[in-house]
Amino acid sequence: SQQGEEDPQALSIQEGENATMNCSYKTSINNLQWYRQNSGRGLVHLILIRSNEREKHSGRLRVTLDTSKKSSSLLITASRAADTASYFCATDANYQGSNYKLTFGKGTLLTVNP
Amino acid sequence: SQTIHQWPATLVQPVGSPLSLECTVEGTSNPNLYWYRQAAGRGLQLLFYSVGIGQISSEVPQNLSASRPQDRQFILSSKKLLLSDSGFYLCAWSRWEGSYNEQFFGPGTRLTVL
Repeated sequence: SQQGEEDPQALSIQEGENATMNCSYKTSINNLQWYRQNSGRGLVHLILIRSNEREKHSGRLRVTLDTSKKSSSLLITASRAADTASYFCATDANYQGSNYKLTFGKGTLLTVNP
Repeated sequence: SQTIHQWPATLVQPVGSPLSLECTVEGTSNPNLYWYRQAAGRGLQLLFYSVGIGQISSEVPQNLSASRPQDRQFILSSKKLLLSDSGFYLCAWSRWEGSYNEQFFGPGTRLTVL
């Protein structure tokens, strides 16, 4: 079954607003990552948060991690039309032999209207 | 710097025909290599991964196979395509950095089976 599940499936906002996407997972993890995918393209890594971290910032991105609730959120502040894309969370499970693999959620499609 | 290439970019094949998708990585050695499939509007499904030449791990039983004839070359094949093989195929590489596994994706191959 899917390790990560994003919520909402789709989000539409106006330029300048903030966008928040959530991710839930089922098993304990080493790290959680967020990726972005423009339509018809490959995924691009955005940010990684380790299991012992609670919050991380990178430019307009803010990621939080709550391991007790097995959930993470990605906040994009002051959104731009160019932020329109699908966003995926990915986890690597915390057990031997699994560190090579990431499990991706189904993604959130973000549309930022100009 | 490292780059990852996939070809072809687009492919239309009849049911029952063979398939060969190629992925190559430049600028790094001994990468972990991955094949994913993404159905329309869905998340990524890991198909195969490889941690070295000739070492292939299969995640999902199906009519696809993978091979790694050289360190930086990863090939996805099928002897007879099914309609359900249609999708967006993504190759990725990573290098285990001791505690995390950031993946870098190629541009993808759009496969349509008719």
